[in-house]
Amino acid sequence: EDKVVQSPLSLVVHEGDTVTLNCSYEVTNFRSLLWYKQEKKAPTFLFMLTSSGIEKKSGRLSSILDKKELFSILNITATQTGDSAVYLCAVSYSGNTPLVFGKGTRLSVIA
Amino acid sequence: GAVVSQHPSWVICKSGTSVKIECRSLDFQATTMFWYRQFPKQSLMLMATSNEGSKATYEQGVEKDKFLINHASLTLSTLTVTSAHPEDSSFYICSARKTGTANYGYTFGSGTRLTVV
Repeated sequence: EDKVVQSPLSLVVHEGDTVTLNCSYEVTNFRSLLWYKQEKKAPTFLFMLTSSGIEKKSGRLSSILDKKELFSILNITATQTGDSAVYLCAVSYSGNTPLVFGKGTRLSVIA
Repeated sequence: GAVVSQHPSWVICKSGTSVKIECRSLDFQATTMFWYRQFPKQSLMLMATSNEGSKATYEQGVEKDKFLINHASLTLSTLTVTSAHPEDSSFYICSARKTGTANYGYTFGSGTRLTVV
């Protein structure tokens, strides 16, 4: 059973649209939730969330964590073609353990 | 700080040969490194946890005799794909953990794209 579940798995939008990507996770030994953007190579770090209800923001991207409902969302406003990528959600559990990744959301932004 | 260097970036090899991939933490010591594999249009799947000075811990379904991991120093872990076959063609990424950094130290290498022909 998957510990980290992302939805949707793929999404096609037009430039200028706003998108919301979802990530739900298992709670046992939860430490933090991380969002990454992956284009052709290794993932690049976007956000790390540890506290509920505190929005993290970077330009047109923002993210928030709900530890009661066990999910996080990643919002992208005014999308651009350069936002096309796979967005990965990963959860860090306590201890010296690896990140557990969701399957990712493949976002395609068309002009 | 917290830079991880991975080499090579891409490699093409003949079926039956072995390929070694290196993962180095450049400015910190990493007692633990993680190796992931990613097939096209799929997510990162953990293969093994590499521990300095001891045996690696492999995930279920990963053949330890095929994917040899050596973590002989605090800054270097290597993954050797032995007797590679076309089905081993994939994107391999390492990650090293440094405590105290913004994202709890999960720094990724740039990845290695392996193609076995």
